[in-house]
Amino acid sequence: GENVEQHPSTLSVQEGDSAVIKCTYSDSASNYFPWYKQELGKGPQLIIDIRSNVGEKKDQRIAVTLNKTAKHFSLHITETQPEDSAVYFCAARKYNFNKFYFGSGTKLNVKP
Amino acid sequence: DVKVTQSSRYLVKRTGEKVFLECVQDMDHENMFWYRQDPGLGLRLIYFSYDVKMKEKGDIPEGYSVSREKKERFSLILESASTNQTSMYLCASSFGRGPGAYEQYFGPGTRLTVT
Repeated sequence: GENVEQHPSTLSVQEGDSAVIKCTYSDSASNYFPWYKQELGKGPQLIIDIRSNVGEKKDQRIAVTLNKTAKHFSLHITETQPEDSAVYFCAARKYNFNKFYFGSGTKLNVKP
Repeated sequence: DVKVTQSSRYLVKRTGEKVFLECVQDMDHENMFWYRQDPGLGLRLIYFSYDVKMKEKGDIPEGYSVSREKKERFSLILESASTNQTSMYLCASSFGRGPGAYEQYFGPGTRLTVT
C-alpha cells in the first residue's frame, strides 16, 4: 500500500514569516494530493489540493508544489497569521481508488 | 452548506461494552469513511463504504464493524470496547465513484474514552 511521511511534526514561526511542510509518498500510482487543516475541536478541512499533472498550485497565501520524480509534495504558507495555527495533514490518493493515505500531521504555531 | 454530523462529541464507555458511533451526511454522497486519529499517527482508515450496504476494510479494521443501511448514515460499531480503542474517531464523506478526485468532508469527531 501507500506510505505517506510528513515533516516536521511541529513547526513554530513568527507572524509574517513563511512556513513549509513537506510530505513524501511511496506509490508512484498516487495522483491526487490534498492538504487539510484541522483547528482545535474540529474535523480536518481541505485547504488546497493538487493533481499529478500539475507541478504547482497557488491560492492566495497558500501554495502546494509537487515533484513526481522525487515523490514529494510541499505546502507553503506565506505571511503567516495567528489564525494559521492548526494541525496540517497531507494525503495521497491513487487513481481509481477511494482510499486516502494521510501523513502524521504537523502542528503549526504562529507566534504573534 | 455541506454537513457531516457525528452523534456524540465525547463518549466514555467501559471495557467490554458495545459501542455505536453514528455519522450522518446531508450531501447525498456515495462514499463514507471512518478514521481514527491518534497523536503522531495521523488519520488511519478503519472502514469505508461506497454504496448502501457495501463496505470495505481499511488499514485497521480489527475490533470494528460498520453498517450502512441508508445512503446518508454510516455507523461504526465496537463489538467489545477495549482500552486501546480510546481515540478520536472521524467520519468523512465524498462524492463520486471511480477515478474522480473528490474532496472529503469531515465531521467534528467523537472523542471516545474506554475505561
